[in-house]
Amino acid sequence: AQTVTQSQPEMSVQEAETVTLSCTYDTSENNYYLFWYKQPPSRQMILVIRQEAYKQQNATENRFSVNFQKAAKSFSLKISDSQLGDTAMYFCAFENYGGSQGNLIFGKGTKLSVKP
Amino acid sequence: NAGVTQTPKFRILKIGQSMTLQCTQDMNHNYMYWYRQDPGMGLKLIYYSVGAGITDKGEVPNGYNVSRSTTEDFPLRLELAAPSQTSVYFCASSWGLAVTYEQYFGPGTRLTVT
Repeated sequence: AQTVTQSQPEMSVQEAETVTLSCTYDTSENNYYLFWYKQPPSRQMILVIRQEAYKQQNATENRFSVNFQKAAKSFSLKISDSQLGDTAMYFCAFENYGGSQGNLIFGKGTKLSVKP
Repeated sequence: NAGVTQTPKFRILKIGQSMTLQCTQDMNHNYMYWYRQDPGMGLKLIYYSVGAGITDKGEVPNGYNVSRSTTEDFPLRLELAAPSQTSVYFCASSWGLAVTYEQYFGPGTRLTVT
């Protein structure tokens, strides 16, 4: 069975600094996708960034980037120039290519607080 | 566009009662999903639909039913509510396969069963 582990229940960072959130996953599949979702206090889930496992290049979206290490089954999220609006729960998620549609496997989340 | 809307926002049910959680999207998406999020946990898929008239089970379907008579609506029915169904429920939609197209989430419904 696939699992996603986020080992940091809570983290904090000063505004404008950089923070890295960790995620490891377990799968025997070779083709899959990895995601980071943000859930602010409003509860609405927002996709932050997505990585295809077959791509060696790490995905980047503005201040958000990932460090994807396929052999180590690691998928960390780096937030640069942290902003107060980045305060939220962050969930790492995994989905097999060709698996049940929409069956994202989520980690338990990391609560990030950005301090002024 | 309103995106994905869910009603109600909050609900308290007694054990054994039934209710329907409503979900509507105005983006003409074919795919719709229902997830539940238990305290301190990530989301788990309950049911999904790839188009009107087509539904299938996700990871945790027991105690729930769905229907998809239109593209826009995907209601989730709870029969004989149990305390284990206390959770936050999220509806989502996407153009196509979740691995290719972003899922758009509604704001959630917080359900308490006592």
